[in-house]
Amino acid sequence: NAGVTQTPKFRILKIGQSMTLQCAQDMNHNYMYWYRQDPGMGLKLIYYSVGAGITDKGEVPNGYNVSRSTTEDFPLRLELAAPSQTSVYFCASSYGRWDRGYEQYFGPGTRLTVT
Amino acid sequence: GESVGLHLPTLSVQEGDNSIINCAYSNSASDYFIWYKQESGKGPQFIIDIRSNMDKRQGQRVTVLLNKTVKHLSLQIAATQPGDSAVYFCAENLFSGGYNKLIFGAGTRLAVHP
Repeated sequence: NAGVTQTPKFRILKIGQSMTLQCAQDMNHNYMYWYRQDPGMGLKLIYYSVGAGITDKGEVPNGYNVSRSTTEDFPLRLELAAPSQTSVYFCASSYGRWDRGYEQYFGPGTRLTVT
Repeated sequence: GESVGLHLPTLSVQEGDNSIINCAYSNSASDYFIWYKQESGKGPQFIIDIRSNMDKRQGQRVTVLLNKTVKHLSLQIAATQPGDSAVYFCAENLFSGGYNKLIFGAGTRLAVHP
C-alpha cells in the first residue's frame, strides 16, 4: 500500500492565484481530513469527509473548498490565495470506527508559500 | 524541510535517560487517545494508542498512561535515543456532530542531547 499520497510537495503561488492540492489514499478509509500547520504550531483542521459525497467544515475552512467524489481522493481547493495561507498542508485518512481504531494516517505534506 | 516545534514547549533530555511527555485533554467523553511523533519536514507518525477502558499500554520502548480522573495522558520513552528527537502530539477522539474527530494538543518538542 502507498498509504496517503499528496501532490505537489512544494508550491509557490502569487496572491490571487488558485490551486488544488491533491490527496489520495489506498486503504479504503471512509474518513479523510485536511489540516494546515503553521511554523512552530500544531495542526488545525480545515475540512473533513466521512465518505464519498459527504464533507464538513473544520475549525479554519475560510478560503478553502473540498469535494469527495470517490473514496480514494479528497482534493483541497484554494481560491484567491492570500499570504495568510502560507503553511504546510497535511492530508490524513482513517477508518473512524471503534473496532478499527481512530488512528489517522498522514501524508507527507504540501509546503505552500503565497507571495 | 519545514521546521516544527520552534515555539512549542521543549523537553531536553540526555541520551539514555527516560523521557516523560505530558498532555492534558479537554473532554471527559473522549474514548480513545493517540500519541504522534512528527520529525522535521515530515507528517505526524503514529506511536501508540490507548482506549478509555484502559489506564496503561506498552509498546516497544514506549508506555502510555491514562488518568481519566484528572484528564491526563502521558508518554514515557525508555532509554531515549537521538532518533527520538521530534515534536510529540497527543490527540483525543471525540464523537461530535454525528462523527468522530481527533482533537490534537499543541505539541511538545523533545530534544535529546548526547
